[in-house]
Amino acid sequence: EAQVTQNPRYLITVTGKKLTVTCSQNMNHEYMSWYRQDPGLGLRQIYYSMNVEVTDKGDVPEGYKVSRKEKRNFPLILESPSPNQTSLYFCASSLGGSFYPGDEQYFGPGTRLTVT
Amino acid sequence: LAKTTQPISMDSYEGQEVNITCSHNNIATNDYITWYQQFPSQGPRFIIQGYKTKVTNEVASLFIPADRKSSTLSLPRVSLSDTAVYYCLVGDIETGANNLFFGTGTRLTVIP
Repeated sequence: EAQVTQNPRYLITVTGKKLTVTCSQNMNHEYMSWYRQDPGLGLRQIYYSMNVEVTDKGDVPEGYKVSRKEKRNFPLILESPSPNQTSLYFCASSLGGSFYPGDEQYFGPGTRLTVT
Repeated sequence: LAKTTQPISMDSYEGQEVNITCSHNNIATNDYITWYQQFPSQGPRFIIQGYKTKVTNEVASLFIPADRKSSTLSLPRVSLSDTAVYYCLVGDIETGANNLFFGTGTRLTVIP
């Protein structure tokens, strides 16, 4: 089944304790992206990756890191989480960004992170 | 600087046609316009995508005027299960077409 998986689905942690949220897709997609969703602010892009070893900042990259060593994986790293990073996080993938007709993004189920 | 603008919320009765408009003044030449649907605690789901004029699929239609600075998602004969948040997605000409921005979303409530 074509899908995007995220782990963990729920995480409660403390300020300053490094964490990684994994994202994996099995569709051989070039493009992957991370979003955070907060009440009243909609979905905001954190980082995106056009291909392996190619990443770039989205709208709200501060406090986050990403890596793209393999095409299928795109982990989100919080080196020193803070309470303002408490949010619902979504990973997404697509064939190749917005240049291709019918190039929809497939979203993972979400990771709810709470930083105390 | 807002990338897209949509109404915050809309209500509709079952069986009616619903039109949701999105403004995107800085759309790039190569960008497509895509609409997504999101239910609570789930990831967004693709509805429809277009470049210009009109696109129709089995669930919706998308109308895009010649200047492409706005688009309208049309949902025919909505049902209670269409209650969701609808997002308009385009690239941004200032930061590159690959940097994709969602709108603030429109919360559609379908009333019995």
